[in-house]
Amino acid sequence: KNEVEQSPQNLTAQEGEFITINCSYSVGISALHWLQQHPGGGIVSLFMLSSGKKKHGRLIATINIQEKHSSLHITASHPRDSAVYICAVGSGGGADGLTFGKGTHLIIQP
Amino acid sequence: EPEVTQTPSHQVTQMGQEVILRCVPISNHLYFYWYRQILGQKVEFLVSFYNNEISEKSEIFDDQFSVERPDGSNFTLKIRSTKLEDSAMYFCAIQGDWNTEAFFGQGTRLTVV
Repeated sequence: KNEVEQSPQNLTAQEGEFITINCSYSVGISALHWLQQHPGGGIVSLFMLSSGKKKHGRLIATINIQEKHSSLHITASHPRDSAVYICAVGSGGGADGLTFGKGTHLIIQP
Repeated sequence: EPEVTQTPSHQVTQMGQEVILRCVPISNHLYFYWYRQILGQKVEFLVSFYNNEISEKSEIFDDQFSVERPDGSNFTLKIRSTKLEDSAMYFCAIQGDWNTEAFFGQGTRLTVV
């Protein structure tokens, strides 16, 4: 069974700061997902990675398969980025669904 | 327009009652999932559904739970006799294939009283 650990659990930063959220997992995976959960509870997919790096606007996600580690970066952070960021991993085949981390609660202060 | 819509958004039910949570994907996907999130905890896998049958289920998904895709579009989760500890946010998720992006519904907040 995969264990997914995220750090930090809570992060408060000032607007404009560069943010890094880390995720590590214990067992080899087929894909890693970064998700964003808003205060109302809805979950939005940000990235799906199986190798390398992806960028979307101010968000960058990287993964190191050998190290079993991924990072989510937010450049020029803004108060609207305040949310819970969740790392989830999937094994090959899709039957087992995703295994989730506990999430990182991010607050960006103006 | 969201890829998947869940109804209802919030349901309050008496302990012992049956509830049905519904999920409607916008387009064709191969994999369907139900997850739940108890307040303050992480999201947990309940069940996966592929090719019109259960593919995998977790320990949480016991005999009181069932899933169906009765008409080829709606995907339902039924809880036969709800318990207080079933109170949680329930998310439906879909994937076009196992190694593609996952789309989540907005969730159904179930409160058992």
